[in-house]
Amino acid sequence: AQKVTQTQTSISVMEKTTVTMDCVYETQDSSYFLFWYKQTASGEIVFLIRQDSYKKENATVGHYSLNFQKPKSSIGLIITATQIEDSAVYFCAMRELVGDNSKLIWGLGTSLVVNP
Amino acid sequence: EAAVTQSPRSKVAVTGGKVTLSCHQTNNHDYMYWYRQDTGHGLRLIHYSYVADSTEKGDIPDGYKASRPSQENFSLILELASLSQTAVYFCASSLTGSNTEVFFGKGTRLTVV
Repeated sequence: AQKVTQTQTSISVMEKTTVTMDCVYETQDSSYFLFWYKQTASGEIVFLIRQDSYKKENATVGHYSLNFQKPKSSIGLIITATQIEDSAVYFCAMRELVGDNSKLIWGLGTSLVVNP
Repeated sequence: EAAVTQSPRSKVAVTGGKVTLSCHQTNNHDYMYWYRQDTGHGLRLIHYSYVADSTEKGDIPDGYKASRPSQENFSLILELASLSQTAVYFCASSLTGSNTEVFFGKGTRLTVV
């Protein structure tokens, strides 16, 4: 069965440092898509970044980047130069390409606190 | 910017009563979803739809019905609300069911008393 696991329940870092959040997944399929989302304190969930399984290059968007290690079924989210407003819960999700009706499989999230 | 609007944003319902949560998207997306979020369970898919007038069961459909009367609108219906359905509900949409990101509404906090 497909599964997404985020082992870090919470992380606390100092502002302006770099943080890495871990995510491992299980899938039988050779083609899949990995996503990271952020849920703010207000409850809003926003898309951050995506990695396609067939791409070897790590995706980067602004100060977010991914560490995609396909042999380890791992997709880490790296946030550089963290800011107070990066404090949020971060969710990892995977979508398998099974027809066109695939579902997103979600991890349970990692709570990030950025301290001044 | 993609827009998914949920109403109401919060609601208190009586056990056994009927609750309808509404969702409207202006993204021209084919796919719409209803998720439930509870502490410790992350996001769980209740129902989804990829075309108007058709809905599909997600992972936890029991006790919920869904309706997609148009591409823009997707409702979640609790015919007989129960205490266990107290949660935050999110509606979302996506262009496709595969490689595109999902856009979320701001959520509806439902409390069943």
